[in-house]
Amino acid sequence: GENVEQHPSTLSVQEGDSAVIKCTYSDSASNYFPWYKQELGKRPQLIIDIRSNVGEKKDQRIAVTLNKTAKHFSLHITETQPEDSAVYFCAASIKGYSGAGSYQLTFGKGTKLSVIP
Amino acid sequence: NAGVMQNPRHLVRRRGQEARLRCSPMKGHSHVYWYRQLPEEGLKFMVYLQKENIIDESGMPKERFSAEFPKEGPSILRIQQVVRGDSAAYFCASSLDPQTLVPGVRMNTEAFFGQGTRLTVV
Repeated sequence: GENVEQHPSTLSVQEGDSAVIKCTYSDSASNYFPWYKQELGKRPQLIIDIRSNVGEKKDQRIAVTLNKTAKHFSLHITETQPEDSAVYFCAASIKGYSGAGSYQLTFGKGTKLSVIP
Repeated sequence: NAGVMQNPRHLVRRRGQEARLRCSPMKGHSHVYWYRQLPEEGLKFMVYLQKENIIDESGMPKERFSAEFPKEGPSILRIQQVVRGDSAAYFCASSLDPQTLVPGVRMNTEAFFGQGTRLTVV
């Protein structure tokens, strides 16, 4: 099945600096790659996603890049703010049964981002 | 639209009891996914359901765990004879039908998560 590796597991940055989180996936058939932010004790919330038909997507201070050949994708947060502190999860869709398409997400283990004021 | 609703938020069960976790998807969503999250870890897929059908249960233990999504009412994740290792946060997510955004390829639509049910087995 699909396997998603996420690095680093923890990341500390100074307020205003950039943060980069990287993920690799194993299933070349995966075509959807969302990123979720989870604050302590709360639900995961989608912050950005990218599909395999594009290589980059940007939404204000957040951008995601996808390299299908190398099977990796990255989250970039610029001008970090204290409220960006949270755990970030990358995920990849997995095609379940042959021809059926299961669409569930396989998640990385998460990156705990701390933005130091 | 109230979003994905899960209840209860917190559930305490003694070893050997049954736990029933409920999830009401967002209005108009027919796809429901259940994930389990252990402390300091990511979300592990358990089961994917559409109305009245289990599509993929490859992540769910074969014994003691079951899930349903009836025609009427919420999706239910049931854990029988709970053990301490079942203690975790259980999240439900829902989505619309996958879309054909690229010719010939159906892709995911956004999955919205509920607040989760934190199960503690004592």
